Amino acid sequence: EAGVVQSPRYKIIEKKQPVAFWCNPISGHNTLYWYRQNLGQGPELLIRYENEEAVDDSQLPKDRFSAERLKGVDSTLKIQPAELGDSAVYLCASSSDRGYETQYFGPGTRLLVL
Amino acid sequence: GQQLNQSPQSMFIQEGEDVSMNCTSSSIFNTWLWYKQDPGEGPVLLIALYKAGELTSNGRLTAQFGITRKDSFLNISASIPSDVGIYFCAGSVDNYGQNFVFGPGTRLSVLP
Repeated sequence: EAGVVQSPRYKIIEKKQPVAFWCNPISGHNTLYWYRQNLGQGPELLIRYENEEAVDDSQLPKDRFSAERLKGVDSTLKIQPAELGDSAVYLCASSSDRGYETQYFGPGTRLLVL
Repeated sequence: GQQLNQSPQSMFIQEGEDVSMNCTSSSIFNTWLWYKQDPGEGPVLLIALYKAGELTSNGRLTAQFGITRKDSFLNISASIPSDVGIYFCAGSVDNYGQNFVFGPGTRLSVLP
């Protein structure tokens, strides 16, 4: 079974530029998460989707961050414009809706904002 | 908000030694998870705990859900070089939860 797929794996941009990350969850997983992981820290939730619906986006900086999950499968996380402090690893995870299974992470996209 | 603390922050051990690390919270959690993260990769789930007092093993790894529901412990027996990495705990207030808070991690180094 394929795991969570993320692209790109690495991205270097200049501040004020836009950037987008893509995630394809495990087949059949209805719940999708985006996390940000700063250097030396654990992942922090940005947004959680149940199918197409964003059910928890309280930690998403909505002035510059946006996300979408069209058709309840793939998801895109966008930052516009990027700031120096956005440099981090952006992790996508997915889980099934059966309640007793937990989330599985993708390899992440490492973003460097110059 | 909810925060988790992990100790130790980092540790260096000799190959073959046993390892213990813990995760504490000021809040009660109903689900605890332990993950391992290798460089350049996403966290990989090691053990999931759903009941206070639960003790669960996965090979050389054993984790326990603290009886107070405010802590959890991970033990690794007979460490090997591939145990190197960062170990994260994560807690959720939900039963069989969906929303997790992650600790800052324990960085483990294994010396040959």
